[in-house]
Amino acid sequence: QKEVEQNSGPLSVPEGAIASLNCTYSDRGSQSFFWYRQYSGKSPELIMSIYSNGDKEDGRFTAQLNKASQYVSLLIRDSQPSDSATYLCAVNRVQGGKLIFGQGTELSVKP
Amino acid sequence: EPEVTQTPSHQVTQMGQEVILRCVPISNHLYFYWYRQILGQKVEFLVSFYNNEISEKSEIFDDQFSVERPDGSNFTLKIRSTKLEDSAMYFCASAQREGGNIQYFGAGTRLSVL
Repeated sequence: QKEVEQNSGPLSVPEGAIASLNCTYSDRGSQSFFWYRQYSGKSPELIMSIYSNGDKEDGRFTAQLNKASQYVSLLIRDSQPSDSATYLCAVNRVQGGKLIFGQGTELSVKP
Repeated sequence: EPEVTQTPSHQVTQMGQEVILRCVPISNHLYFYWYRQILGQKVEFLVSFYNNEISEKSEIFDDQFSVERPDGSNFTLKIRSTKLEDSAMYFCASAQREGGNIQYFGAGTRLSVL
């Protein structure tokens, strides 16, 4: 079982739609959860962090965490072509600890 | 806005040569990391560094790899004898103690081993 699993995609949505990205993790001791965006050939850029169960909203982005189900999601509302990228789910177990990344989900937003 | 700086952006080397990848973390950060990403694959953890010592390393980080913080600003990754399979993007990241321990990544160094 992979430590952090994501659908690789590609996920294609029309401009203005909601994109829904999902992630599951295997380590129940995971404490912190992150969504990074990575454009082709570039480095990971933090989009959202979430630490407790429930929803966390920041502009067009909403992260959802369910520790009982070991599930993290990212919703992108009003998707724009500039949102087209690979979205990486990452978790860590302890403060200062390593990030464990999923394979990433490629998102394509069509004008 | 503070950022993690990595040099060089692209390093080409011959197999068996030594390379040093350099990073300047964000100035008030205390945790430092190296990750790598082979083309088309996921980002993989190599090593973490805190309080002037390695705090954790992965199986990838074997005796060919070393890290150093030679002064108050630089953080380096050395590969002693490069192999073809070391070709990858290498990312440096740093994090504060507070603020959710978010790791900020540099732009990366593309290492090409010929």
